Amino acid sequence: AQSVTQLDSQVPVFEEAPVELRCNYSSSVSVYLFWYVQYPNQGLQLLLKYLSGSTLVKGINGFEAEFNKSQTSFHLRKPSVHISDTAEYFCALDRGSTLGRLYFGRGTQLTVWP
Amino acid sequence: EPEVTQTPSHQVTQMGQEVILRCVPISNHLYFYWYRQILGQKVEFLVSFYNNEISEKSEIFDDQFSVERPDGSNFTLKIRSTKLEDSAMYFCASSASGSPYEQYFGPGTRLTVT
Repeated sequence: AQSVTQLDSQVPVFEEAPVELRCNYSSSVSVYLFWYVQYPNQGLQLLLKYLSGSTLVKGINGFEAEFNKSQTSFHLRKPSVHISDTAEYFCALDRGSTLGRLYFGRGTQLTVWP
Repeated sequence: EPEVTQTPSHQVTQMGQEVILRCVPISNHLYFYWYRQILGQKVEFLVSFYNNEISEKSEIFDDQFSVERPDGSNFTLKIRSTKLEDSAMYFCASSASGSPYEQYFGPGTRLTVT
């Protein structure tokens, strides 16, 4: 069975501080991993994805994530956040079933304070 | 930039009534999905649709649910007899190809069953 755990439901941080949003997964097969962001009243937008190759992946808006197979983690990081990064962030897993079913974590609300 | 649209943004219905949630996927996409998020819970996969038939469905997608692509542009989710527990945000997504390609999400329809 597949599952995704986001360890923090809320992460408050001050502007220009670094941030890490944690994601752990469980799967019996090789997976693809994604981070999506949702701004208020908008759909989920893809931030970045890990398919294969380099374990450090870079996405939009200065975010990056590192795939760690031994720790089954895919944590999202940004070295310096802006107020505009305030949003809900979702980690998701695709088990590679061809059809693209995604398994999501509960989401982490990132709030950036001035 | 092309986007997935969903209507209505908010639907209120009485228990036992039928509802149809509508989605317009990105025009050249071939794979279509419905997900839902009950307040405070994970985003959950409902169904995927490809080549005019259901490709995969979750255990949530029982006989009360159905999907249809009635024309070349719309993709609908019907709930025949709504229950209180169907209250959720419903997201439509589309993808140019299956796994592991990016799924583009709509802004969601908030369904409230009273």
